[in-house]
This record gives sequence, structure tokens and C-alpha cells, in this order.
Amino acid sequence: EAEVAQSPRYKITEKSQAVAFWCDPISGHATLYWYRQILGQGPELLVQFQDESVVDDSQLPKDRFSAERLKGVDSTLKIQPAELGDSAMYLCASSFEQGSNYGYTFGSGTRLTVV
Amino acid sequence: AQSVAQPEDQVNVAEGNPLTVKCTYSVSGNPYLFWYVQYPNRGLQFLLKYITGDNLVKGSYGFEAEFNKSQTSFHLKKPSALVSDSALYFCAVRDTSGGSYIPTFGRGTSLIVHP
Repeated sequence: EAEVAQSPRYKITEKSQAVAFWCDPISGHATLYWYRQILGQGPELLVQFQDESVVDDSQLPKDRFSAERLKGVDSTLKIQPAELGDSAMYLCASSFEQGSNYGYTFGSGTRLTVV
Repeated sequence: AQSVAQPEDQVNVAEGNPLTVKCTYSVSGNPYLFWYVQYPNRGLQFLLKYITGDNLVKGSYGFEAEFNKSQTSFHLKKPSALVSDSALYFCAVRDTSGGSYIPTFGRGTSLIVHP
């Protein structure tokens, strides 16, 4: 079964340092999402890509977060500088198209701990 | 605006007994509704969805959910719980009016099945 690949699985970083996460969606999925899940809460959308274009980044803290999907395939989410409050699970998901009625396929996530 | 509520932080049930995980929603138009399951340190896995049609939706692992428009609910059910069903369960809703393709996730309900 096709999967969304994410790396690393776990990341510990000191505050004020830079950190980056990588996601490779299911082949052929044009839409890619980055979600943040704080412990005890549901996932919240950070950014949505359609191919290489950003569709929605209204919830992305742009002073420190950036995301790119240069060739419309894999994607990188960066935080610089990291803050203690950024500790969370960062989930990548993909779907064949926007508004997919079949739900998203999520990766296993990257658990970030900022110390 | 769309929102979803999972009124129970935790549900406890004995193995072999039926289980229900509750979800209520609020949308302006018609809802698309989803259930996802999350195991420790993993991403979310799609269980089932309601788009249109039969109010009783059957999904993976023997789970089903009933759409009730009058009560704006979409409760997740299983006739006989297994210990391996213990996990976090998330309900999500997408409003078909308003143009957003992004579902809103609930806070999650921890299901604990006791042997």
C-alpha cells in the first residue's frame, strides 16, 4: 500500500536553532498538506500545496516557518528559529486532488521537541 | 464556518462490548464527515467517510458510523471492541459551502479497551 514518507521521525533541537522536515507524498497526489498536532489536540493545517503552488498558508507563522514544494513532488517545512512552543507532531498528508472525498493519507509524522 | 466537537476526552470499554465514540458538527451547508484513527507516534489513518447516501457508513476494521442530520452527529461505533482498537480517534468535518476544501479536526477521543 502506498504511503506518505516523512523524515526524520523524531527531532530534538535547542530553541533558536533551525530545523527542517521532509515529506514525500504518494506518487500522483497533486495536493500536499502540512499539519501541526499539539499534544492532546487535533491536527491543524499549516499549509496546503497544489502541485508546486501554495493554496493556503493563512495559518503558517511566516515569521519563522517556511514551506516549499519546488518540483511539485516532495516538500520541506522549515522552522527558524525554533521556539519552545513549536514542540509538536508535524504531519504531512496528501490527496489526489483538492477536496478529496476519500480523505487524506497521512505520513507517520515528525515529533519535534524543542529544548 | 465549520466546527466539530468530540465531547469525550476518553472512552473506556471492555473487550467484546459495543463501543461508541461521539462526534457532533456544525456547518453552513452540507457536511462531509470523516473518522481517523491514530496509534501512538503514528500519523492518522482514514477509517471511513460520509459524503452522501446511506446514513450508516461502514469502514475499516469493523467500524461504522451513523450520520444523523437532525442531531448533527456522526458517532463512530463498533459492535464488539478489541484491545487492539485502543487508540486516538479523530472526527473531521468539511463544509460543502464556503469554498474551503480543508476539513476541521476535533480534539480527539482516547479509546481504551480493557481485556
